[in-house]
Amino acid sequence: GAGVSQSPSNKVTEKGKDVELRCDPISGHTALYWYRQRLGQGLEFLIYFQGNSAPDKSGLPSDRFSAERTGESVSTLTIQRTQQEDSAVYLCASSLRGLAGVKQYFGPGTRLTVT
Amino acid sequence: AQKVTQAQTEISVVEKEDVTLDCVYETRDTTYYLFWYKQPPSGELVFLIRRNSFDEQNEISGRYSWNFQKSTSSFNFTITASQVVDSAVYFCALSVYTQGGSEKLVFGKGTKLTVNP
Repeated sequence: GAGVSQSPSNKVTEKGKDVELRCDPISGHTALYWYRQRLGQGLEFLIYFQGNSAPDKSGLPSDRFSAERTGESVSTLTIQRTQQEDSAVYLCASSLRGLAGVKQYFGPGTRLTVT
Repeated sequence: AQKVTQAQTEISVVEKEDVTLDCVYETRDTTYYLFWYKQPPSGELVFLIRRNSFDEQNEISGRYSWNFQKSTSSFNFTITASQVVDSAVYFCALSVYTQGGSEKLVFGKGTKLTVNP
């Protein structure tokens, strides 16, 4: 079956502009995660959605970052007034349930470059 | 602090050599999960293994094996008879609970493995 998909695969934007990144999770997966991976670094947790529960936004680095999810489907991560420090690969993952130790399936990521 | 340390930034081996990737973790939880993921040049993370903190049995899957030692808080990964296709960045990760009460993965910085023919 189809895996997690993300679009665009690459995005170059000018400092100060807003960007929107999209994630399509695996069908039937109720949990969805966004992570950020800076060059040469591991992944940093940003936000978590589980079904219709309120999202866990504890990893968002600033109020310029926000995310939405429509039901148990598509999610968008929005970064407003982008800064050069926002340049990174943004990875989305989904899992069948948001329970402890459940395997997360990752998408290919969106590489964001802020010039 | 809850964190994962992968002290080896880069490793280079010749094909058919065995190689061990180290992972040391810190957690205050009594129940937790540890993971290894592979990130090939294409960028997509590939799940390799999940280990529950209560299960200290070592695991072998083909050329891959994992050594979980709770006493030293380590979860090392060995590739036997390495192949060029094993070239990738390997991440060790620990499940932790967030301030919001959900679970997230805390990743190490990764070890870049290059297998030369």
